[in-house]
Amino acid sequence: AQSVTQLGSHVSVSEGALVLLRCNYSSSVPPYLFWYVQYPNQGLQLLLKYTTGATLVKGINGFEAEFKKSETSFHLTKPSAHMSDAAEYFCVVSSNTGKLIFGQGTTLQVKP
Amino acid sequence: GAGVSQSPSNKVTEKGKDVELRCDPISGHTALYWYRQSLGQGLEFLIYFQGNSAPDKSGLPSDRFSAERTGGSVSTLTIQRTQQEDSAVYLCASSLVALGGPSGNEQYFGPGTRLTVT
Repeated sequence: AQSVTQLGSHVSVSEGALVLLRCNYSSSVPPYLFWYVQYPNQGLQLLLKYTTGATLVKGINGFEAEFKKSETSFHLTKPSAHMSDAAEYFCVVSSNTGKLIFGQGTTLQVKP
Repeated sequence: GAGVSQSPSNKVTEKGKDVELRCDPISGHTALYWYRQSLGQGLEFLIYFQGNSAPDKSGLPSDRFSAERTGGSVSTLTIQRTQQEDSAVYLCASSLVALGGPSGNEQYFGPGTRLTVT
């Protein structure tokens, strides 16, 4: 069975600082991994995905994530935070039946 | 093109009443998923459809919950005899295929239906 653990339910950074949101997964099969973002009062939007191939994946809005099989991690990063990045971020693994399994989410706060 | 749409956007109902929530997936998407987002439970999978059949209903919390999909397109999630713990945002998502392929089961989400049971 697959599962996802996001470390830290709340992360606060200053504008311009590095964003690092941590995610570890458990999967008995090669996983498909995603990061979704949910802005206040909006729907879920795909940030980026890892399926196969290059382990460093780039997404929208300057975000990227690196798949590290040895560490079973898929941490999300952005070099410089912007106020508009304030949102809730979900690390997600796709099960072998197609459904998505979500982490508990990390709320990112960006301070001016 | 048009995204996933859901209706109604908000629904307030009295405990014990039945409700129907509707999802219109992206045209051509064969797979359709229902999820529930609530404060205490986060985002939970409910059921998924491949075409009109539902290979995975494992997330439905009780037999009061059911869903159907007709014509490989529109889906309806029905909750009978609603309870206060059913209050949540119900999300629908669709994907081109259920598994595999270069898209890796990338799912596109609708805006959700916020259900409040009083």
